[in-house]
Amino acid sequence: AQKVTQAQTEISVVEKEDVTLDCVYETRDTTYYLFWYKQPPSGELVFLIRRNSFDEQNEISGRYSWNFQKSTSSFNFTITASQVVDSAVYFCALSDEDSSYKLIFGSGTRLLVRP
Amino acid sequence: DAGVIQSPRHEVTEMGQEVTLRCKPISGHDYLFWYRQTMMRGLELLIYFNNNVPIDDSGMPEDRFSAKMPNASFSTLKIQPSEPRDSAVYFCASSAPGHRPGELFFGEGSRLTVL
Repeated sequence: AQKVTQAQTEISVVEKEDVTLDCVYETRDTTYYLFWYKQPPSGELVFLIRRNSFDEQNEISGRYSWNFQKSTSSFNFTITASQVVDSAVYFCALSDEDSSYKLIFGSGTRLLVRP
Repeated sequence: DAGVIQSPRHEVTEMGQEVTLRCKPISGHDYLFWYRQTMMRGLELLIYFNNNVPIDDSGMPEDRFSAKMPNASFSTLKIQPSEPRDSAVYFCASSAPGHRPGELFFGEGSRLTVL
C-alpha cells in the first residue's frame, strides 16, 4: 500500500532562517510521482512541484529546493531565507503510474515563520 | 482566469439534513476531484471524474454520499442524511490534460459543520 509520512507536525522558525520539511514515502511501484502542495491560510491547496521516480535530480525554484532520494524513499523540501509569507501547511503527496491522478497525501507540516 | 469556484464556503446544518456542495471547475479542465479534509484523517480523495464520467469513487464513505457531474462546468457532492462525523472541509479540484497528472487546481473549500 502507498503511504506518505510527514513526521514534523509543526515547525516554527524566524524569518530568514532556512527550513527543511521532511517527507518519507512507501510504495511498491517502480513508477510513481511525488508532489508538494502548499495550503496558505486562505485554504486552497497550491501545487508546487511534481517529480517522477526516474528523475532523481534535485530541483531549485527561487528560494525553494527539493531533494529526492530513492535510496531513503525521501522527498524533502527546503525553503531558503524563509519569509513570513511562507507560513502555511505543506503537504507531500504520492501517486502511481496507473492512477497518476489519485494523490495520497501526507498529514502535512505546519510552518510558522515569525518576523 | 477564474479559479475553481465552490459554494457554499460555509455550511452549518443539523444532523439528518441534506447537504449539497457545488463546484465549478476551471473552464477547459476535464478532470474534477472531490477531496475531504479532517484533522483525524487528513486529505482524502472521495471521487474523481474525467469528461463528466466518474472514474474512481472508492473513497466515497458510504451510500449517504453521492456526486454528480451533469456537465463540464458543474459538479455537486450531496450528503443525505448528514451526520456530525461528516463535518469537514470539502475541496473541489480540477485539472487538464495539458498539465502534468497530479497538478491539481483547488478551490477554497466548503467548510461543513453538522450539529
